Amino acid sequence: QVQLQESGPGLVKPSETLSLTCSVSGGSISDYYWSWIRQPPGRGLEWIAYIYDSGTTNTNPSLRSRVTISTDTSKNQVSLKLTSVTAADTAFYYCARGGGRVLAGRFDFWGQGTLVTVSS
Amino acid sequence: DIVMTQSPDSLAVSLGERATINCKSSQSVFYSSNNRNFLAWYQQRLGQPPKLLIYWASTRESGVPDRFSGSGSGTDFTLTISSLQAEDVAVYYCQQYYSTPWTFGQGTKVEIK
Repeated sequence: QVQLQESGPGLVKPSETLSLTCSVSGGSISDYYWSWIRQPPGRGLEWIAYIYDSGTTNTNPSLRSRVTISTDTSKNQVSLKLTSVTAADTAFYYCARGGGRVLAGRFDFWGQGTLVTVSS
Repeated sequence: DIVMTQSPDSLAVSLGERATINCKSSQSVFYSSNNRNFLAWYQQRLGQPPKLLIYWASTRESGVPDRFSGSGSGTDFTLTISSLQAEDVAVYYCQQYYSTPWTFGQGTKVEIK
């Protein structure tokens, strides 16, 4: 059974960079699409970005200039960096697995999520 | 971006009764080359991550009870819970994966009447 676990600082100061890691166990990150999705407390879901095969990426235009998504296949990890954060970036951040190409955006496994609060 | 709009925002249903949630996309999510609707449904219980219930608009994910069913095509979709159970109390989201940015509906909260 595939398991995903997000990790990273729970508190980030405004204007700084949010950095999160998703550790995947029970399967290789190869051959799947991996996304980051966020959810402000009490609100809906927003897809942030995906990565495939360590190099193919796609980012939500609403966040594009601030987002970097990457993988470390040796550690079976997917990472997210979001620069210049503001209070509006306060949210639960989830990593999720997509399927193959036509199912890239269908998320069948999710991490438990990690709450990141942006505050000074 | 494709805007996903769910209705109602919330509903209260008696145990054992049917719950119906609607989802409308701002443009068609049907892809004629594979005859598929790129539409998924998720359940999010309180304090939990979303869980995939339905994909291709009507294909039930492995392990999902058969009281959950999805229907619709093009721009109009429905999630039906045929006989509501206590464990079905949750927020339900539709999501299109037809084109990026992939987008979700605002969610529908299902409660017990």
